[in-house]
Amino acid sequence: EVQLVESGGGLVQPGRSLKLSCAASGFTFSNYYMAWVRQAPKKGLEWVATISTSGSRTYYPDSVKGRFTISRDNAKSSLYLQMNSLKSEDTATYYCARREEGIADYWGQGVMVTVSS
Amino acid sequence: DIVLTQSPVLAVSLGQRATISCRASQSVSISSINLMHWYQQKPGQQPKLLIYRASNLASGIPARFSGSGSGTDFTLTIDPVQADDIAAYYCQQSRESPPTFGGGTKLELK
Repeated sequence: EVQLVESGGGLVQPGRSLKLSCAASGFTFSNYYMAWVRQAPKKGLEWVATISTSGSRTYYPDSVKGRFTISRDNAKSSLYLQMNSLKSEDTATYYCARREEGIADYWGQGVMVTVSS
Repeated sequence: DIVLTQSPVLAVSLGQRATISCRASQSVSISSINLMHWYQQKPGQQPKLLIYRASNLASGIPARFSGSGSGTDFTLTIDPVQADDIAAYYCQQSRESPPTFGGGTKLELK
């Protein structure tokens, strides 16, 4: 059974940093692109980062480019999202997702990040 | 970016058919491959993949869910609607980066 478990969320002040983690199990992690998708409270979904199987290629939308960094450790079946210079508009639930040909076919339960002073 | 537009709310009676639409600002099809996907999100839960590439049912999804469409216009149909289907439904395109989602349609009971 595919499982994705996020951790590392919490309350953080504007301008500070936070690192999210996602532990994957139930599939061969190194064979899949992975992604982070976020959802602001009572809002829709926004794809915020993608990483290739080896980690050599990454993608970010303009809203987080230069502030967020996605990475992975295939030996540990783990995905990460380093978030710097956080803003109030980054407040959201962050989901780790397995990406298969552009499709988020499995999602974690999500972790809440609140950016507030 | 490709913008996906969905109606915010759809009210339906149990046992009836629900038709949820998604319109893209430009074509999300390449040849005969329609790069539009649908997700269901129940309150307090993570999204779940329902339909991929417009009309393919994801694993474990009941046959009362179906998808259709091509180019810029896509439809998710639930027939018949059951109480467990009350949720928000999102379309997502993978034709171009960045991948984008529609704003979601909240399915409510009449």
